[in-house]
Amino acid sequence: GENVEQHPSTLSVQEGDSAVIKCTYSDSASNYFPWYKQELGKRPQLIIDIRSNVGEKKDQRIAVTLNKTAKHFSLHITETQPEDSAVYFCAASGGSTLGRLYFGRGTQLTVWP
Amino acid sequence: SAVISQKPSRDICQRGTSLTIQCQVDSQVTMMFWYRQQPGQSLTLIATANQGSEATYESGFVIDKFPISRPNLTFSTLTVSNMSPEDSSIYLCSVVAGGRRYEQYFGPGTRLTVT
Repeated sequence: GENVEQHPSTLSVQEGDSAVIKCTYSDSASNYFPWYKQELGKRPQLIIDIRSNVGEKKDQRIAVTLNKTAKHFSLHITETQPEDSAVYFCAASGGSTLGRLYFGRGTQLTVWP
Repeated sequence: SAVISQKPSRDICQRGTSLTIQCQVDSQVTMMFWYRQQPGQSLTLIATANQGSEATYESGFVIDKFPISRPNLTFSTLTVSNMSPEDSSIYLCSVVAGGRRYEQYFGPGTRLTVT
């Protein structure tokens, strides 16, 4: 089955700095890569996703890049704000696992004012 | 996006008992899933809830322990059977919605504590 690795497990940045979280996946058939933000006690919230026919996608301060050859994808948050503090999860699905998301272990992002 | 609700939101149960969790979606969805999130951990897929047929379970999860029903395209239940403290987790249903745009959303979760 699919195996998703996520790094780092914790990330602390100063407000205004950028944050980068990286994930790798094992199943070359995977073609859908969402990122979720989970605040304490709340459900995971979809913040951005990318499909394998696209190399990069941006939504305001958030961007995701995908390298299918290397089987890795990354989340970039620019101009971080304290409200960006949360746990971020990457996931992968597709091919025979379409709809079934396999998650990384999560990154606890802390943005210091 | 789809609006997903779950009942109960939380429960405290004794070991050896069973709890049924309900998931209701405000629109018809083709794909519906159940996940588990153990304390401080990531999300793990339990099974795909198939409408009109038996659920498809991931490795490590079995029907006897986690029976699932999906009687229609807006509703599903997950039962946690013969509970032990190791079953203490948040259980979340998830749906794929958005029509042409494939997006996957999560319900608010059911926080289960087994004593």
